[in-house]
Amino acid sequence: KAGVTQTPRYLIKTRGQQVTLSCSPISGHRSVSWYQQTPGQGLQFLFEYFSETQRNKGNFPGRFSGRQFSNSRSEMNVSTLELGDSALYLCASSSEGQGDYEQYFGPGTRLTVT
Amino acid sequence: SQQGEEDPQALSIQEGENATMNCSYKTSINNLQWYRQNSGRGLVHLILIRSNEREKHSGRLRVTLDTSKKSSSLLITASRAADTASYFCATVDTGGFKTIFGAGTRLFVKA
Repeated sequence: KAGVTQTPRYLIKTRGQQVTLSCSPISGHRSVSWYQQTPGQGLQFLFEYFSETQRNKGNFPGRFSGRQFSNSRSEMNVSTLELGDSALYLCASSSEGQGDYEQYFGPGTRLTVT
Repeated sequence: SQQGEEDPQALSIQEGENATMNCSYKTSINNLQWYRQNSGRGLVHLILIRSNEREKHSGRLRVTLDTSKKSSSLLITASRAADTASYFCATVDTGGFKTIFGAGTRLFVKA
């Protein structure tokens, strides 16, 4: 099976712009979670989608949003970018959800906001 | 604040030695997982231990869980240079299905 893929791998944006990141989970996986990783805050949970519904959400402002399509692919969007949004954004998929199932991570999208 | 906290923050050992990392957490958990991350890439799942288990082995990995102390340890035996990475514990609480990661331990294995 192909692994989790994320596009693009690298992105440079300017403050105030918006960005959309894409994640394709492992075939058959219905749960997709998003994480933000920064040197200062570490790995922080953004949200989880399961069968096109957002099941869980972390403590991030409303500028961070996401969605999941019927084929389980997911996108996350960040509007009105701030310098502090510079981070590695990781997507993870699992067969049923985070609770009891291991997550398979993609390589990440490194976002730099200037 | 994050659920899991790893100790030590960084560890440097020689090839062939054992490496032990510890993780503490704050609330009741459903399970605890350990992940490895190489140099800013995606995480790789290593092992999952459920709240009713006390010890689990996988190859050169040994994980223990003490729910009374809310702590876990990861032991890597006979370490190799390829084990150089950051190691994270992650907990899933009983109240929901959010995975909370600790700050990680950076392991350096010198050849």
